[in-house]
Amino acid sequence: DTAVSQTPKYLVTQMGNDKSIKCEQNLGHDTMYWYKQDSKKFLKIMFSYNNKELIINETVPNRFSPKSPDKAHLNLHINSLELGDSAVYFCASSQGSADGYTFGSGTRLTVV
Amino acid sequence: GENVEQHPSTLSVQEGDSAVIKCTYSDSASNYFPWYKQELGKRPQLIIDIRSNVGEKKDQRIAVTLNKTAKHFSLHITETQPEDSAVYFCAASKPGTYKYIFGTGTRLKVLA
Repeated sequence: DTAVSQTPKYLVTQMGNDKSIKCEQNLGHDTMYWYKQDSKKFLKIMFSYNNKELIINETVPNRFSPKSPDKAHLNLHINSLELGDSAVYFCASSQGSADGYTFGSGTRLTVV
Repeated sequence: GENVEQHPSTLSVQEGDSAVIKCTYSDSASNYFPWYKQELGKRPQLIIDIRSNVGEKKDQRIAVTLNKTAKHFSLHITETQPEDSAVYFCAASKPGTYKYIFGTGTRLKVLA
């Protein structure tokens, strides 16, 4: 019974396309996140939501738009994909603002 | 801005030896310090964490120490085993910010 599930696991797409990544957690956590992990393995916050409300938008281009229909779901839509968007995107959730994260399995996005 | 420095970037130890990874944080308001282990192609997983009201925490072969004055915290792994080989990330968080600042990661190799 997966705690934080992301789909798809792999995504290969051409430049200029629009794509979405979905995330769902069944832990009853209040807070969800999107992190980007680049080729050097560096993990950087993109967005955080608490009870469906956007808390952090960490200087992410407007092409990235998160949506949280309820506190168990946080989706990420990306418009006009660029080569530099290629990375692994991790969804995560936590009970509070300073608690351990449970990460999803990641989505490896490759833009060609 | 907020910053977490992590050293070393790579670490090779013989099986059975100890490994130590060190992190330094910049924001003295940080009060929560988790450590994550990421195996190749997998999600980061929480292995241990410590809060600022505690100086040391231990869980079997893993321990974390925190020096608030120096703004240092360290991960100690004793009796290392080949399955400890992974990338380890430290992180720091402060109340109400809904994000971690991650260190740059340490690739640990345990040689059999």
